[in-house]
Amino acid sequence: KNQVEQSPQSLIILEGKNCTLQCNYTVSPFSNLRWYKQDTGRGPVSLTIMTFSENTKSNGRYTATLDADTKQSSLHITASQLSDSASYICVVRGNSGYALNFGKGTSLLVTP
Amino acid sequence: DAGITQSPRHKVTETGTPVTLRCHQTENHRYMYWYRQDPGHGLRLIHYSYGVKDTDKGEVSDGYSVSRSKTEDFLLTLESATSSQTSVYFCAISESRGEVYNEQFFGPGTRLTVL
Repeated sequence: KNQVEQSPQSLIILEGKNCTLQCNYTVSPFSNLRWYKQDTGRGPVSLTIMTFSENTKSNGRYTATLDADTKQSSLHITASQLSDSASYICVVRGNSGYALNFGKGTSLLVTP
Repeated sequence: DAGITQSPRHKVTETGTPVTLRCHQTENHRYMYWYRQDPGHGLRLIHYSYGVKDTDKGEVSDGYSVSRSKTEDFLLTLESATSSQTSVYFCAISESRGEVYNEQFFGPGTRLTVL
């Protein structure tokens, strides 16, 4: 079964600090990998999307990396802000069918 | 939320009653999806639609039915609600299914509690 595993499950950091979230997947064949941000009580919103040929993609203070050989991705958040407090979800799409494979998310809390 | 509304946003109901959730979009996107989100699980696909009157099952479709009579509306019905269907339900839309960069946009969610 295709799986997407995220770590850590939760993370607390001080405002202004950097952090890195991890995503390992077994989806094969692979089409693209997305990172979503989900604020409490809201729907997920896309941050980045990468195909197998892309190694890195940035969106402001968010930078995603992808190693398709080892099936690993990371999301790096620079100079964190209180508004970064949210759940970050890794989503992997295979080459066939409609299905998106969702990770369980990493819950990030940024404290003053 | 990308021109997607869900109604109701919150609902409490009793076991055995039918429940219908509505998703409405103003983007004219072809594909619409219903997901549920539960603690300890990633988002899981219930049903999706690839056009008016065209629907198909997702991975957790048991106990749910859907209908799409207009491009803009996608209804999710719980025929006889059970406590295991207590969850947060998200609707999503996309322009197509196949393109590599095709993105799904999510609605604000409906929190359903079945007592």
